[in-house]
Amino acid sequence: DSGVTQTPKHLITATGQRVTLRCSPRSGDLSVYWYQQSLDQGLQFLIQYYNGEERAKGNILERFSAQQFPDLHSELNLSSLELGDSALYFCASSPRSTQNYGYTFGSGTRLTVV
Amino acid sequence: EDQVTQSPEALRLQEGESSSLNCSYTVSGLRGLFWYRQDPGKGPEFLFTLYSAGEEKEKERLKATLTKKESFLHITAPKPEDSATYLCAPLLNKLTFGTGTQLKVEL
Repeated sequence: DSGVTQTPKHLITATGQRVTLRCSPRSGDLSVYWYQQSLDQGLQFLIQYYNGEERAKGNILERFSAQQFPDLHSELNLSSLELGDSALYFCASSPRSTQNYGYTFGSGTRLTVV
Repeated sequence: EDQVTQSPEALRLQEGESSSLNCSYTVSGLRGLFWYRQDPGKGPEFLFTLYSAGEEKEKERLKATLTKKESFLHITAPKPEDSATYLCAPLLNKLTFGTGTQLKVEL
């Protein structure tokens, strides 16, 4: 157990729907990062939050959004889902905002869009 | 645009057969480099952080080295349990992962 908790582990939904993925960071970590991993593109950085505020943005689609709550857990919202959104979504956390430390990854949410 | 290339894409070794994985990058403002191990269907597991050229880190059968333009992950006398995908990630203004080297160690 890495200390980063992601729920649900698996999610199957239809095109056009909206889903929410949840992440609880490791105790004491203030930064949360979201990554998407598909077979053909490897790990793609989506977005980072630090202590409730957006800190960095990657290749996140406009249909996707995220937030970090006062208790530091984070949610990634995916809407108007397309078949191509099927992937593993990972959350990672780190204790500092400068990214100069190893990230701790959760076990991921496998999203299947049918 | 910053690019990260890992080679080979896949590597098959016999148990005990040492080898090296390469991570090369064309980036500016490198602040460090991370190596991760990922097992199928699981999240990446942190292995090493390297911060400056010439730095080396070791853990069991793994040793990571760093130059200005590339990093190597040396695997000495690997065992089947070392089979995994190894990912490198140069740290810039964000962590950019390579697509990994899929290592298979056979008996």
